[in-house]
Amino acid sequence: GAGVSQSPSNKVTEKGKDVELRCDPISGHTALYWYRQSLGQGLEFLIYFQGNSAPDKSGLPSDRFSAERTGGSVSTLTIQRTQQEDSAVYLCASSLAGGAVDTQYFGPGTRLTVL
Amino acid sequence: AQKITQTQPGMFVQEKEAVTLDCTYDTSDPSYGLFWYKQPSSGEMIFLIYQGSYDQQNATEGRYSLNFQKARKSANLVISASQLGDSAMYFCAMRDFFSGTYKYIFGTGTRLKVLA
Repeated sequence: GAGVSQSPSNKVTEKGKDVELRCDPISGHTALYWYRQSLGQGLEFLIYFQGNSAPDKSGLPSDRFSAERTGGSVSTLTIQRTQQEDSAVYLCASSLAGGAVDTQYFGPGTRLTVL
Repeated sequence: AQKITQTQPGMFVQEKEAVTLDCTYDTSDPSYGLFWYKQPSSGEMIFLIYQGSYDQQNATEGRYSLNFQKARKSANLVISASQLGDSAMYFCAMRDFFSGTYKYIFGTGTRLKVLA
């Protein structure tokens, strides 16, 4: 079946512009996660969705970052007034129910470059 | 606070030999899970193996095994009979079960290069 998909695969933007990153999880997966991976670093947790609600958004680095999920499926991560330090690969993952032992399936990521 | 430490930024191994990738962790939660992921140069994260803190036996998945030493707070990944396709970044991660967070904490990774 189809895996997690993300779009766009690459995004180049100018400092100060807003960007939207999209994630389509595996069908039927209720849990969805957003991560950020800066160059040469591990993954940094941003936010967790269970259905359409976000019980853990503790990793969002500032109020410029927001995310929503609609219909228990597609999620959008929005970064307002982008800064150069926002440049990174943004990864989305989904799992069946969000249980601690559920396997997370990752998308291919969106590479964001802020000039 | 949760923390994952991977002290080996890079490792080399000869094809067909075994290699151990180190991972130590810290948490105050009495129950937690430990994970290893592989990230090839193409960028996708691939789940390899899981170990629960309450598991009595070390986890194994094919050529992957996890050397879990709870008292030492270590969860090393052992890859047996290395193959050229094993060349990739490897990340150790953990999640607490009872802290009320859904956050997975990742280490900074180890880049493994398998030599022919």
